[in-house]
Amino acid sequence: EPEVTQTPSHQVTQMGQEVILRCVPISNHLYFYWYRQILGQKVEFLVSFYNNEISEKSEIFDDQFSVERPDGSNFTLKIRSTKLEDSAMYFCASSDTRVTGELFFGEGSRLTVL
Amino acid sequence: QKEVEQNSGPLSVPEGAIASLNCTYSDRVSQSFFWYRQYSGKSPELIMSIYSNGDKEDGRFTAQLNKASQYVSLLIRDSQPSDSATYLCAVTQSGNNRLAFGKGNQVVVIP
Repeated sequence: EPEVTQTPSHQVTQMGQEVILRCVPISNHLYFYWYRQILGQKVEFLVSFYNNEISEKSEIFDDQFSVERPDGSNFTLKIRSTKLEDSAMYFCASSDTRVTGELFFGEGSRLTVL
Repeated sequence: QKEVEQNSGPLSVPEGAIASLNCTYSDRVSQSFFWYRQYSGKSPELIMSIYSNGDKEDGRFTAQLNKASQYVSLLIRDSQPSDSATYLCAVTQSGNNRLAFGKGNQVVVIP
């Protein structure tokens, strides 16, 4: 069964360091997303991406965040200068259609900022 | 701020019973509604979607939508220990395709 894969599963970093989280969406999907979940809190939307550009971003997705699809398969989230409050589980998701919330989530990358 | 609320605390049900979960949303023009299941330490997994008023059944799951009252519910019939998880209500908001999630309801099925 096709699945979304994410690496790393867990990353520990020092405050102020740059972090790149990687995702391989399902191959025939065209819409890509990043969500995050701080421990014990709601899953929160960060950004959506389609046709090689950001289609929508939330208030959380400030200038410290960026996304990229560097090749035909990977979809990355970069945090330029991590803060303590960036510690969370980051989920990549993909979909084959825009007008739906029927997302396929990866297993997540846990980011711990010290 | 547009909100999705799931207010009830952990729900314990005996195996074979019905689990009933409720969710309310504040954006009156929300269009699409979803239930995701999230096992502890895992990612959300879509189990039901519903787009129009009424009931939608899929196996042991039934989703109910009432747009006038702005609530959506999930029934799990014949609950199994494998149903023990947190159930997340999610709504797509008007004008965009981002999902807004509720905080979730934890369900514990007791054998």
